Amino acid sequence: DAKTTQPTSMDCAEGRAANLPCNHSTISGNEYVYWYRQIHSQGPQYIIHGLKNNETNEMASLIITEDRKSSTLILPHATLRDTAVYYCIVRTLYGGATNKLIFGTGTLLAVQP
Amino acid sequence: DTGVSQDPRHKITKRGQNVTFRCDPISEHNRLYWYRQTLGQGPEFLTYFQNEAQLEKSRLLSDRFSAERPKGSFSTLEIQRTEQGDSAMYLCASSAYRQGIRQPQHFGDGTRLSIL
Repeated sequence: DAKTTQPTSMDCAEGRAANLPCNHSTISGNEYVYWYRQIHSQGPQYIIHGLKNNETNEMASLIITEDRKSSTLILPHATLRDTAVYYCIVRTLYGGATNKLIFGTGTLLAVQP
Repeated sequence: DTGVSQDPRHKITKRGQNVTFRCDPISEHNRLYWYRQTLGQGPEFLTYFQNEAQLEKSRLLSDRFSAERPKGSFSTLEIQRTEQGDSAMYLCASSAYRQGIRQPQHFGDGTRLSIL
């Protein structure tokens, strides 16, 4: 599975949009981009995933560049409860490849009041 | 809420003791995973089951570690002769596998193990 690069930390003002970038320049054609977040003392929480089209759900939006080498997770109106470590992971959806998720160190998003 | 449940949430034990953790996955999920997380790091994969079969094990899973999923439902992770380096958060996740497509993994809140 391809490696990802994320900033170590980011700040965001409460009520504003939080835009979290991720680089995955070695992503292959059958690999999806997944986002998880981990609030302190909790397990990782699945947020969203996508292949090449932009995706939106009740939690966030995922924007993937046309060349698929980078993506941005958008939390449209950040709240203090969105303070967490956000992990960007790429993996395949099919086939016999490993089923494990490979986490990096993620981005610590601090939402400021 | 019928999410992934782990027990206990916290375990403190002396070095050399054996410990066992339990994970109850989301009921319709046929895949179950164990991860370990140390301070400041992302979770690291240990092992996974499809139904009752253990299909993949990490090199992190030394001989002192054993995992079971006897009836394809709950799972246990046992650590024998615990060492200081075993202190970590042990996370369980589950997912469905339908028509050849992996569904997202959903995590429990983990068991935090502290070795004295």
